[in-house]
Amino acid sequence: DAGITQSPRYKITETGRQVTLMCHQTWSHSYMFWYRQDLGHGLRLIYYSAAADITDKGEVPDGYVVSRSKTENFPLTLESATRSQTSVYFCASSDGGNPNYGYTFGSGTRLTVV
Amino acid sequence: AQSVAQPEDQVNVAEGNPLTVKCTYSVSGNPYLFWYVQYPNRGLQFLLKYITGDNLVKGSYGFEAEFNKSQTSFHLKKPSALVSDSALYFCAVRDMNNNAGNMLTFGGGTRLMVKP
Repeated sequence: DAGITQSPRYKITETGRQVTLMCHQTWSHSYMFWYRQDLGHGLRLIYYSAAADITDKGEVPDGYVVSRSKTENFPLTLESATRSQTSVYFCASSDGGNPNYGYTFGSGTRLTVV
Repeated sequence: AQSVAQPEDQVNVAEGNPLTVKCTYSVSGNPYLFWYVQYPNRGLQFLLKYITGDNLVKGSYGFEAEFNKSQTSFHLKKPSALVSDSALYFCAVRDMNNNAGNMLTFGGGTRLMVKP
């Protein structure tokens, strides 16, 4: 089924480990985004990308790394996971050529850092 | 800069009663406005949008929203709430005249609880 998929759905990792969350979209949307959702904070933008090989920081980028070598993929890496990075992570995409459209979101990855 | 405010963390309503979830926005130009819904353990789903035209916009699941330019508001409404409407609702805005590209700014979310 076409769309935007995130993997894994759930992940438990230990403090200090590196972990990568995957995001894949099938529409060739130019824009992709990573958000984290925490109780009391709503959605906070971590990083976004306007096109392949173009990325930029959002509101809370510290401790995260992104890459976008292909239009359809936008992985998010936690270089050395901390307990404060326990959260639900959402990937989203948008057609940059048409501002009438909003974002399409993945189902999320629930990450627990122990 | 563009911003969105959802003044209520939670809205409680009885099933069958009308519901309103409030949203106000701030942009320098003309706004594109969106409502999204998030059910438990799911991603955000698009409900409706205002781009231009009629101030009353109809969307999915019987929801509608009214764009009020003078009050800079875009409140979400439904004439008769269902228990299955219980979810987290997000308002979002994009400034049509903003050169920051394709960025939406989201409100903090409002939890809607519909009781039987």
